[in-house]
Amino acid sequence: DIQMTQSPSSVSASVGDRVTITCRASQGIRNWLAWYQQKPGKAPKLLIYEASSLQSGVPSRFSGSGSGTDFTLTISSLQPEDFATYYCQQANSFPRTFGQGTKLEIK
Amino acid sequence: EVQLVESGGGLVQPGGSLRLSCVVSGFTFSSYWMSWVRQAPGKGLEWVANIKEDGSEKYYVDSVKGRFTISRDNAKNSLYLQMNSLRGEDTAVYYCARDFRRNIDDYWGQGTLVTVSS
Repeated sequence: DIQMTQSPSSVSASVGDRVTITCRASQGIRNWLAWYQQKPGKAPKLLIYEASSLQSGVPSRFSGSGSGTDFTLTISSLQPEDFATYYCQQANSFPRTFGQGTKLEIK
Repeated sequence: EVQLVESGGGLVQPGGSLRLSCVVSGFTFSSYWMSWVRQAPGKGLEWVANIKEDGSEKYYVDSVKGRFTISRDNAKNSLYLQMNSLRGEDTAVYYCARDFRRNIDDYWGQGTLVTVSS
């Protein structure tokens, strides 16, 4: 199975900050990567698919980039509602696998 | 409005069985692959199984193969997960989700908690 490793595991930031989360795949996955946001007690929400495509309804402050094995999720200016846990997921190979998550906390 | 509503979770003893259901609305159910994804308490996400639009193809993560069965009834807009020989490590919130692109889910239910314990 393809291993997905996110860094950092947690990050503290302030409203208005720019934050970048990275995700590395154990083997190449082309651009078959998604990013999800999950708040406590809620289902994951799709933010980005195919590495850089913004899901409908997601604010433009979220962006994704990368291909092959290295990917990033960037939030350009943090808003209070962005404090959550973020997961990357590879969609290239069976079975689909997720990163361990990055918890974004308020500083 | 797209909605997915899971039910059927609960407390079950090790070795027991449970059947989860997911009723969907707001989209043409028979046009989408569907998945089950689980999340153990305080842990990350794990894809469990998925099923083709017409039910003709089904895939499972190795840890549930032979114990879990995914199925669907397109006439009832419903997705199911039959879980047998349950183990403690199956304890999790189980989400049903719509496969939007290749192996990516765009809509998720609220989840149903399965607890396997004696």
